Amino acid sequence: EVQLVESGGGLVKPGRSLRLSCSASGFTFSRYSMNWVRQAPGKGLEWVAYISETSRTIYYADSVKGRFTISRDNAKNSLYLQMNSLRDEDTAVYYCAGDPDTPHLRVFEYWGQGALVTVSS
Amino acid sequence: QLTQSPSSLSASVGDKVTITCRASQVISSYLAWYQQKPGKAPKLLIYGASTLQSGVPSRFSGSGSGTDFTLTISSLQPEDFATYYCQQLNSYPPITFGQGTRLEIK
Repeated sequence: EVQLVESGGGLVKPGRSLRLSCSASGFTFSRYSMNWVRQAPGKGLEWVAYISETSRTIYYADSVKGRFTISRDNAKNSLYLQMNSLRDEDTAVYYCAGDPDTPHLRVFEYWGQGALVTVSS
Repeated sequence: QLTQSPSSLSASVGDKVTITCRASQVISSYLAWYQQKPGKAPKLLIYGASTLQSGVPSRFSGSGSGTDFTLTISSLQPEDFATYYCQQLNSYPPITFGQGTRLEIK
């Protein structure tokens, strides 16, 4: 059974930092590119960051560029999101999502259950 | 940029429903549709614009090319009332989602 399990969410003050983790099992993690997607309360889905299978290629949404860092450890089947200089508008449920990312197939095939990050003083 | 229409829709069990997703530029077949229920993660329904994900009921179908895509539910079931999102992975960054279509029971 495929599982993606996020952890590390919580309540944090503006300007502080938080690190999310996503633990993968049930599929070949090292063959999937990985993404973070967030959803603010009552809002739609917003893509946050992408990392390729080997970590060679990384992309960020403009809204988090320079503040967030995506990384992965294929030996541990784990994905991370280091979030610095957090703002109120970063409050959201954060999902990790796996993409086979082949020339013939790009899709967010697997999703975690989400981790809630609340930024508030 | 992806624009979904309508943003919300009321329908009855058994109805046929169509949701449209329009891209601001031509995208190839890297268009996906997801279903999300309250408090849950999105679930993949359709990828490659028209390929049904394994395990998804055949009443769901996708079509389109270029800039215009549609998700059709042929006969609504009670469990289909949810929010639906399209997504493009043709050209990124950024990877973009439509704003969502909320499907409600009439």
